[in-house]
Amino acid sequence: DADVTQTPRNRITKTGKRIMLECSQTKGHDRMYWYRQDPGLGLRLIYYSFDVKDINKGEISDGYSVSRQAQAKFSLSLESAIPNQTALYFCATSDFRQGSTDTQYFGPGTRLTVL
Amino acid sequence: RKEVEQDPGPFNVPEGATVAFNCTYSNSASQSFFWYRQDCRKEPKLLMSVYSSGNEDGRFTAQLNRASQYISLLIRDSKLSDSATYLCVVNIRITGGGNKLTFGTGTQLKVEL
Repeated sequence: DADVTQTPRNRITKTGKRIMLECSQTKGHDRMYWYRQDPGLGLRLIYYSFDVKDINKGEISDGYSVSRQAQAKFSLSLESAIPNQTALYFCATSDFRQGSTDTQYFGPGTRLTVL
Repeated sequence: RKEVEQDPGPFNVPEGATVAFNCTYSNSASQSFFWYRQDCRKEPKLLMSVYSSGNEDGRFTAQLNRASQYISLLIRDSKLSDSATYLCVVNIRITGGGNKLTFGTGTQLKVEL
């Protein structure tokens, strides 16, 4: 079974709809992240969380919100989806205790299309 | 200027060839460096960390030049299965003990028969 899972894997929605993307991990990591990937722009950080009580904005947080329901779960919400939020979304986890490299492990991604 | 810059490619090489990718970064406070591999429509996966003294993992060699702020990846004896996009990743420490990973846009490699 995958260590980091994301649901749904694909979603098509309409402008103005509320969307929630979910991420779960069985790695026991404290740190979780949400990224989006767009062609030609690379991966960009939306939000990150170092533990259940910690939430931080990334470089492109406008239009998004997150919830860290438990150590293993980190959800990303689009309160009112717009077409330029069409992208591939990745959740990632890391375990700082493993050392300074803080390697990130990614989920399989959610392909979101906003019409 | 982008924080991490890579040539997008594609690099089309025959099987068995040696190919090298470079990456430059702009933040001199960058502390650690990585190459990730991403297959089409899949998640990025760590290929290797990059150490100041240079490091090798099988057919892959990574080098770091802090003075010039660039990182390289050399792939020897290319295999068809090496076809993928290679992401250069730079890690900067941030306040609170955490870190920020900045990703390059990736270099696409296509290995052909």
